[in-house]
Amino acid sequence: DAKTTQPPSMDCAEGRAANLPCNHSTISGNEYVYWYRQIHSQGPQYIIHGLKNNETNEMASLIITEDRKSSTLILPHATLRDTAVYYCIVYNAGNNRKLIWGLGTSLAV
Amino acid sequence: DADVTQTPRNRITKTGKRIMLECSQTKGHDRMYWYRQDPGLGLRLIYYSFDVKDINKGEISDGYSVSRQAQAKFSLSLESAIPNQTALYFCATSDRRLGGLQETQYFGPGTRLLVL
Repeated sequence: DAKTTQPPSMDCAEGRAANLPCNHSTISGNEYVYWYRQIHSQGPQYIIHGLKNNETNEMASLIITEDRKSSTLILPHATLRDTAVYYCIVYNAGNNRKLIWGLGTSLAV
Repeated sequence: DADVTQTPRNRITKTGKRIMLECSQTKGHDRMYWYRQDPGLGLRLIYYSFDVKDINKGEISDGYSVSRQAQAKFSLSLESAIPNQTALYFCATSDRRLGGLQETQYFGPGTRLLVL
């Protein structure tokens, strides 16, 4: 299984962009990168996912490096409500379709 | 209205008691999952079901059982609760129609369980 590495914690000033990094150097060509967040013991919330190209939705942008060994989740204008634990997950459809959850990055805004 | 609901939201029980946690979804998804989360840890998969007739064990299924009563309902049972099953329990759903290589899961609000 492709593993991910995230910093345990980060700070971001309100109104500024929050850039959350994730390393996944062993990712395979058909594995997607997923981002979820969990706000204070609530159910995890899906944010965005991507394969090769950069992706953007109403919540965030996902930048994946050309070699796909790392990615960055960007929250363009962080607010207090974005304070949460952010999980980067590499999804392998061959692994019985399971998401493997790490410890994530605790973002404080 | 919430797409994935869990009942109860909080539960206190005693060692040896049987309890059931219920999950319902209105998203029309065929896949459903049960996870547990312990303080400071990531989510761990207990059981998952890809349709009504399909039940699979996750990484920590010992001490738990499940029932998929309908496409929209997936229940988790603790046959004889023990204190180390104290945790936060989440139900999730996903949609097979997204395609085999994608797996976007949507979570319920969680059930906080305390076993005394």
